[in-house]
Amino acid sequence: EAQVTQNPRYLITVTGKKLTVTCSQNMNHEYMSWYRQDPGLGLRQIYYSMNVEVTDKGDVPEGYKVSRKEKRNFPLILESPSPNQTSLYFCASSRGASGRGEQYFGPGTRLTVT
Amino acid sequence: QKEVEQNSGPLSVPEGAIASLNCTYSDRVSQSFFWYRQYSGKSPELIMSIYSNGDKEDGRFTAQLNKASQYVSLLIRDSQPSDSATYLCAAAVKHNAGNMLTFGGGTRLMVKP
Repeated sequence: EAQVTQNPRYLITVTGKKLTVTCSQNMNHEYMSWYRQDPGLGLRQIYYSMNVEVTDKGDVPEGYKVSRKEKRNFPLILESPSPNQTSLYFCASSRGASGRGEQYFGPGTRLTVT
Repeated sequence: QKEVEQNSGPLSVPEGAIASLNCTYSDRVSQSFFWYRQYSGKSPELIMSIYSNGDKEDGRFTAQLNKASQYVSLLIRDSQPSDSATYLCAAAVKHNAGNMLTFGGGTRLMVKP
């Protein structure tokens, strides 16, 4: 089954404790991206990657890191999480490198930072 | 002005009616437009994509793109209670060497039995 998977689905952590949210897709898509969704602010793009070793900042990259060492994986790293990073996070992928194509979303990771 | 704007709703329609959802966009937006449906607490699910001026139909859904007026709409025919969700309009926006997907705030649709 073609899909985007994320782990963990739910995470409660404390301020400053480094964490990684994994994202993997099995569709051989070039483009992958991370979003956060907050009430009243909608979906906002954090980082995107057009291919292996090619990443770029989105609208809200502060406090986040990403890496794209393999085509199928695009982990999101929070080096020192803070309470304002409490949010619902989605990973997505798209065929083609441009980012103009249809993006398919993972199930989401609900993160709470206390 | 936001790059993609939607009326937040809620838009309430009776079962069996046509629901009409609208979205406007700014000059910065490129030519790829998408409609996603999102149930509460779930991930956005792609319903329609539209790349060129005019109408595109898929089952009960029709997407309409009017580049001259800078709007894109989604019509849902024979609305069902299961269509009750938030509908997100999205567009690809040029950003550095690539494109980012920019979302409107979403319109909440309520279909009443």
